[in-house]
Amino acid sequence: GENVEQHPSTLSVQEGDSAVIKCTYSDSASNYFPWYKQELGKRPQLIIDIRSNVGEKKDQRIAVTLNKTAKHFSLHITETQPEDSAVYFCAATSIPGSARQLTFGSGTQLTVLP
Amino acid sequence: GAVVSQHPSRVICKSGTSVKIECRSLDFQATTMFWYRQFPKQSLMLMATSNEGSKATYEQGVEKDKFLINHASLTLSTLTVTSAHPEDSSFYICSARDPGRGPSYNEQFFGPGTRLTVL
Repeated sequence: GENVEQHPSTLSVQEGDSAVIKCTYSDSASNYFPWYKQELGKRPQLIIDIRSNVGEKKDQRIAVTLNKTAKHFSLHITETQPEDSAVYFCAATSIPGSARQLTFGSGTQLTVLP
Repeated sequence: GAVVSQHPSRVICKSGTSVKIECRSLDFQATTMFWYRQFPKQSLMLMATSNEGSKATYEQGVEKDKFLINHASLTLSTLTVTSAHPEDSSFYICSARDPGRGPSYNEQFFGPGTRLTVL
């Protein structure tokens, strides 16, 4: 099955600085890579996603890059704000049949210091 | 976006009792739903894939007789934690895709989660 590794586990940045979170995956058949933001006690919220036929995608202050050859993808947050503080999870599809299950990384606790 | 609800949001029960958690897709039909468990400060771990009209597929290490899943309709899946024990205390979250958006649409929609505390 799919295995997703995520680094770092914790990340502290000063407000206004950039934050980068990296993930690697093992299954070359995976073709969809979402990133989720989860606040304490809440559901994960999709913040950006990328498909395997695209190398980079940007949405305002958030961007994701994908290197299929190396099987890694990264989340970039620029001009960080205190409200960006949360746990971020990367994920990848593992497709047995048509189930499209998500395999999650271990999470990164991002703290943006004012 | 599509909406997934869960009920209850919180439940406290005594050890040995059973607890049922409902997951509903409110504005779409979901042939497949997923159940995750999340322990404090940990990631979401897939427990099982719930298939409408057929048996659920459980991940390795998840006891199917302890975590009963029923997906009797296209909008409702239930997870029953039988004979709950304190170690079952966790945050349980369901999710579903909206197949009506086409086979290339991958986004999964998550329920708000259920906090289970077993005393």
